[in-house]
Amino acid sequence: AQSVTQLDSHVSVSEGTPVLLRCNYSSSYSPSLFWYVQHPNKGLQLLLKYTSAATLVKGINGFEAEFKKSETSFHLTKPSAHMSDAAEYFCVVPGPGSARQLTFGSGTQLTVLP
Amino acid sequence: DAGVTQSPTHLIKTRGQQVTLRCSPKSGHDTVSWYQQALGQGPQFIFQYYEEEERQRGNFPDRFSGHQFPNYSSELNVNALLLGDSALYLCASSPPSGANVLTFGAGSRLTVL
Repeated sequence: AQSVTQLDSHVSVSEGTPVLLRCNYSSSYSPSLFWYVQHPNKGLQLLLKYTSAATLVKGINGFEAEFKKSETSFHLTKPSAHMSDAAEYFCVVPGPGSARQLTFGSGTQLTVLP
Repeated sequence: DAGVTQSPTHLIKTRGQQVTLRCSPKSGHDTVSWYQQALGQGPQFIFQYYEEEERQRGNFPDRFSGHQFPNYSSELNVNALLLGDSALYLCASSPPSGANVLTFGAGSRLTVL
């Protein structure tokens, strides 16, 4: 079965500095992987998805993630944090049932300091 | 274009009561999934409905049941509420051709006292 582990429950950065949110996956084959963001009182929004077409995936709002099979990682990065980036971020993998069933990591709360 | 809408947004129940949550999928979507998100945790898959039938189910007891109507809208019912059922309940819909393209609603926050 596929699973994901988010290595940090909380990350705090200053506005304008880089963001790194870490995710490791466990899978016996090359998986599909996603990052979702959840702002307070809003629905989960897809940031980006990896489906084996390219290892560096660009998403919305300047975020990107790199799939590294040798490290079983799919870390989310952004060069410069904005105040509006403050939210909960989830690393997600499809399954274990159908592709429409998602397994979420435990989440990383990103705080952006002025 | 309205996305996924859920109602009610907040509700409070007492232990042993029953609750019904409602979800209208995004226009053009035919599959509805329900997730439970406890405080400080990631969402957990409850079940998925397609063509008015439950197609997939996560590790949730039979107290959790659902329904999908011909217009693709869906209900989540929870019987004999426990304190541990307090959570944000999320509905997600997906289109006929999109295997894992999900659109989430903002959720219904249930508090059980």
